[in-house]
Amino acid sequence: QSALTQPASVSGSPGQSITISCTGTSSDVSGYNYVSWYQQHPGKAPQLIIFDVSNRPSGVSDRFSGYKSGNTASLTISGLRAEDEADYYCSSYTSTSTLAAVFGGGTKLTVL
Amino acid sequence: EEQLVDSGGGLVQPGGSLRLSCEVSGFNFNRYWMSWVRQAPGKGLECVANINQDGSEKDYADSVKGRVTISRDNGRPSLYLQMNNLRIEDTAVYFCARMVRSSVSFDIWGQGTTVTVSS
Repeated sequence: QSALTQPASVSGSPGQSITISCTGTSSDVSGYNYVSWYQQHPGKAPQLIIFDVSNRPSGVSDRFSGYKSGNTASLTISGLRAEDEADYYCSSYTSTSTLAAVFGGGTKLTVL
Repeated sequence: EEQLVDSGGGLVQPGGSLRLSCEVSGFNFNRYWMSWVRQAPGKGLECVANINQDGSEKDYADSVKGRVTISRDNGRPSLYLQMNNLRIEDTAVYFCARMVRSSVSFDIWGQGTTVTVSS
C-alpha cells in the first residue's frame, strides 16, 4: 500500500515551534479521524505520542499537539528541546488494506 | 509494567526460515489485537501482520503474504511470526506492537529484533 507523505526533514532552534505535515487521501487521512504520531530515537522502538488526530496518551508532554485539515494531518512541537531530536512518523487508518494501518515515510527533526 | 520483549532474529540465507517471538507481560493479552511492524535499515515503518484477540482473524501485507504466519498463545502469553522463504528485502528490525483497534494506533512496542537475510 502507498505510504503517507511526510517531509524528509525539518529543523528548529530550542524554544521554537515546528510543524510536521502528513498528507494522505480520502481513503485514509481525510476520510477518518484515526491519525497517530510516533517519536523514534535512534536505535529505539517508536513511542506513541498522538492518537485519534489530537489526543495525547498519558505521560506525553502537552508540547506535542496534532490536528487535521482535509488530506493533511500535522504534528506541532512547541518549546523545542534537544531531546525532541528524533524521527517522527504519522500513521492512519486506511480503507484500502485489511491491515488497517498505513505509515508515513518519516521526518527527521533536527534541533539546531 | 506493560511490556513486550522481542526475540528470535538473526542472520539467515535467502530462502531460509526464522520464527520471531514476543513475550508479553503486565496487561491482559487476550483483550488486544497484536501486530508485527518492521523497519528496513534507514527506512520507515511497515505493518506486516495483524492478529485479533483469539487468533481467528489474521491480516498480512502484500509484501509478505504467503511467506509469513502470525500466531499467538494467550496462555503463555506470547506472539509469534513464522517467516519462510526469506528474501534479502525482508532484512529489517521487527517490532511486535499492541494495536488499539478502536484508533488503529500502536501504543506499546517491543524493543525490536533484527533479521538479516544475506548469502
